[in-house]
Amino acid sequence: NAGVTQTPKFRILKIGQSMTLQCTQDMNHNYMYWYRQDPGMGLKLIYYSVGAGITDKGEVPNGYNVSRSTTEDFPLRLELAAPSQTSVYFCASSPRTSGRTTDTQYFGPGTRLTVL
Amino acid sequence: GNSVTQMEGPVTLSEEAFLTINCTYTATGYPSLFWYVQYPGEGLQLLLKATKADDKGSNKGFEATYRKETTSFHLEKGSVQVSDSAVYFCALSPERTNAGKSTFGDGTTLTVKP
Repeated sequence: NAGVTQTPKFRILKIGQSMTLQCTQDMNHNYMYWYRQDPGMGLKLIYYSVGAGITDKGEVPNGYNVSRSTTEDFPLRLELAAPSQTSVYFCASSPRTSGRTTDTQYFGPGTRLTVL
Repeated sequence: GNSVTQMEGPVTLSEEAFLTINCTYTATGYPSLFWYVQYPGEGLQLLLKATKADDKGSNKGFEATYRKETTSFHLEKGSVQVSDSAVYFCALSPERTNAGKSTFGDGTTLTVKP
């Protein structure tokens, strides 16, 4: 049971380049999330998904896109990289909840992205 | 909307000192409350949680009690170790869950010196 895995671990992009950050979970969780963490700051939600085929914007979606074709995978796409997107990106997943439950999130190890 | 405010850091302690990291929240009803820990170079992982008022979450010597009357969930440990050096995040999940989305505090960096 690998949990949540992310690739790559590190990446340097030039301004205007594109890339996809990969995220896979093997816990059969319905909910998945993408966050960014800027230095010394907390987490900001970029996009989330409640199941395959369903995605929605979080707090800071501009400059990013997502898709969710399977339960396991939730890739994050950067189309035109900008220096403001330099950050650490975390993917997380959570089991479907109903009623009064605890929504523990399970995080991947992160992708450190630098845009120059 | 929901919010979490936690004690600003960084916090530096000597080994075996007592630790308190304050956390207060704003939310309607009875959210679930969490403490996550992030070790250097890693993702966040759950440290402890509490789901209803007066519940005490505990793990690895850390404790936090859900106080509805003061809307707080302060993290404590009686004797910290160097290995506890990390960033600690307080978080809440609303009572009426919205896609399981949680609200996180900004994190408190703890450094424990030998």
